Amino acid sequence: SQQGEEDPQALSIQEGENATMNCSYKTSINNLQWYRQNSGRGLVHLILIRSNEREKHSGRLRVTLDTSKKSSSLLITASRAADTASYFCATDGRAAGNKLTFGGGTRVLVKP
Amino acid sequence: DAGVTQSPTHLIKTRGQQVTLRCSPKSGHDTVSWYQQALGQGPQFIFQYYEEEERQRGNFPDRFSGHQFPNYSSELNVNALLLGDSALYLCASSRKPGTPKPYEQYFGPGTRLTVT
Repeated sequence: SQQGEEDPQALSIQEGENATMNCSYKTSINNLQWYRQNSGRGLVHLILIRSNEREKHSGRLRVTLDTSKKSSSLLITASRAADTASYFCATDGRAAGNKLTFGGGTRVLVKP
Repeated sequence: DAGVTQSPTHLIKTRGQQVTLRCSPKSGHDTVSWYQQALGQGPQFIFQYYEEEERQRGNFPDRFSGHQFPNYSSELNVNALLLGDSALYLCASSRKPGTPKPYEQYFGPGTRLTVT
């Protein structure tokens, strides 16, 4: 079963707009990571945030983590057509070694 | 520095057959994890190998088995294939627990398995 739920399931925006997606999880975590997947191919690691961090930036990406609400958000600013992909959050739990538990993903379409 | 490689890229099998998928981890990594991703879903953890042993296992039946070789590469075997086994199978490599940054997992391109 999936640990996380992602919201929305799908998102359609114009190039240049910001895209925000959310992830909720159920159990205590060590880290939360965001991955991108293009057209059913392999997963590309985007950013990792530790359980003791609240916000992290990487280029046009901004991730927040609220452990009290067991939720995270990923913001992609100034989106480009190349950002069209599925985005997944994944957690590794304190009792689960480094096994990753994924959410169902958000499918993002950026229209040129 | 080669990343994670998987073979084959695509595979078509018939119900009841057996399949073997292969994965070579990224240089410097000794742990391989396998995930199954059904269409439109997030990946689900199958199992993890390091030191040539299965260390963790997800909620998958015994038809799913694996192996890790001394060079850290790994195989995933699925017996008695069902239609529901059709999915993208992803391999991820990392360092074993207790070493620096074991949570950094690098994924291969996947093997698309179709069962007819």
